[in-house]
Amino acid sequence: AIRMTQSPSSFSASTGDRVTITCRASQGISSYLAWYQQKPGKAPKLLIYAASTLQSGVPSRFSGSGSGTDFTLTISCLQSEDFATYYCQQYYSYPQSFGQGTRLEIK
Amino acid sequence: QVQLQESGPGLVKPSETLSLTCTVSGGSVSSGSYYWSWIRQPPGKGLEWIGYIYYSGSTNYNPSLKSRVTISVDTSKNQFSLKLSSVTAADTAVYYCARIVHGEHLINDYWGQGTLVTVSS
Repeated sequence: AIRMTQSPSSFSASTGDRVTITCRASQGISSYLAWYQQKPGKAPKLLIYAASTLQSGVPSRFSGSGSGTDFTLTISCLQSEDFATYYCQQYYSYPQSFGQGTRLEIK
Repeated sequence: QVQLQESGPGLVKPSETLSLTCTVSGGSVSSGSYYWSWIRQPPGKGLEWIGYIYYSGSTNYNPSLKSRVTISVDTSKNQFSLKLSSVTAADTAVYYCARIVHGEHLINDYWGQGTLVTVSS
């Protein structure tokens, strides 16, 4: 199974900041990577797929990049509603697997 | 807009079988455009993919759970179901059903709200 590792596991930031979360796959997954946002008590919400394609309805301040084994999620100007936990997920091969999550907290 | 809703017992005894159903509205489980999946999340932890089913009945399970998992589909009720046998406390989790787009990019685009299942005597 492909192992997905995110960094950092958690960090604090302020509204208006630009933040970047990193996801690394244990083997190459081309661009078969998605990012999800999860708020407490809620289901994950799809933000980005194909490493860089924004899901319909997702604000343009979210962006993704990368291919192969290294990927990033960037939020260009943090809004209050962006404080949440973010997960990457590979769907290059089964079983699909998720990173351990990055918790983004308000500074 | 498609909606998914999980249902089933919130408490299961150790060694018994966990059974959950996902009811789909605003879309059809008979559509060849999607797979229908289960994903779980232990309290305070990350996400684990359990498996999926296609309308034809073909399935794909996580090898870590394969010996204990059965996913089935009932097209007449527009539902799909999860059975997990011989449960232990490690199976305590929020269980989500989700839709996977059938195509090059197998993304989970719609999710149910999740249901907490606790394994305890």
